[in-house]
Amino acid sequence: AQSVSQHNHHVILSEAASLELGCNYSYGGTVNLFWYVQYPGQHLQLLLKYFSGDPLVKGIKGFEAEFIKSKFSFNLRKPSVQWSDTAEYFCASLKTGGGNKLTFGTGTQLKVEL
Amino acid sequence: GAVVSQHPSRVICKSGTSVKIECRSLDFQATTMFWYRQFPKQSLMLMATSNEGSKATYEQGVEKDKFLINHASLTLSTLTVTSAHPEDSSFYICSAREQRGGKETQYFGPGTRLLVL
Repeated sequence: AQSVSQHNHHVILSEAASLELGCNYSYGGTVNLFWYVQYPGQHLQLLLKYFSGDPLVKGIKGFEAEFIKSKFSFNLRKPSVQWSDTAEYFCASLKTGGGNKLTFGTGTQLKVEL
Repeated sequence: GAVVSQHPSRVICKSGTSVKIECRSLDFQATTMFWYRQFPKQSLMLMATSNEGSKATYEQGVEKDKFLINHASLTLSTLTVTSAHPEDSSFYICSAREQRGGKETQYFGPGTRLLVL
């Protein structure tokens, strides 16, 4: 069965600090990978996605993620966070070719302090 | 981007009553929609997969007779919580699957907060 691990449950950063949130997936075959963000009181929004090709994926709001197949990782990064990035971030994987079910990580709560 | 709506956003009901939640894909057609439940400070738990024109597929441990799903059109899926009890109080979220060029992305609705008294 697929699983997605997000090891950082809570992260606190100061504005302008760099961000990296870890995400590891378990499936050894072809997967599609996603990062979603949930701002306080709002619904899940898609930040970025990886299907194939360039392993460095750029998303909205200055976020990017790098797919490293050998490490089964898809870490989310942002060079300089803002207070408005305070939110919960979910990594998710979709096994291609079967199931069509997203497997979510447990989420990382990011708090950016002024 | 693709937009998914849910209605209602909040509902309070008495124990024993039924509640219907609607999920609509506004600018794309979705043969498949998904229903999730999210507990406070936890990730999303998939309840069922809603397939247009056929029966829903439920995850293990989810009672299909309690959580009735109907996907009558390519843009609408409904979840009915039947004979609701306080333990059914939760945040219910739907998503709709968009497929383009063989690639699929799920877009999420804003969720429905259900409180059963």
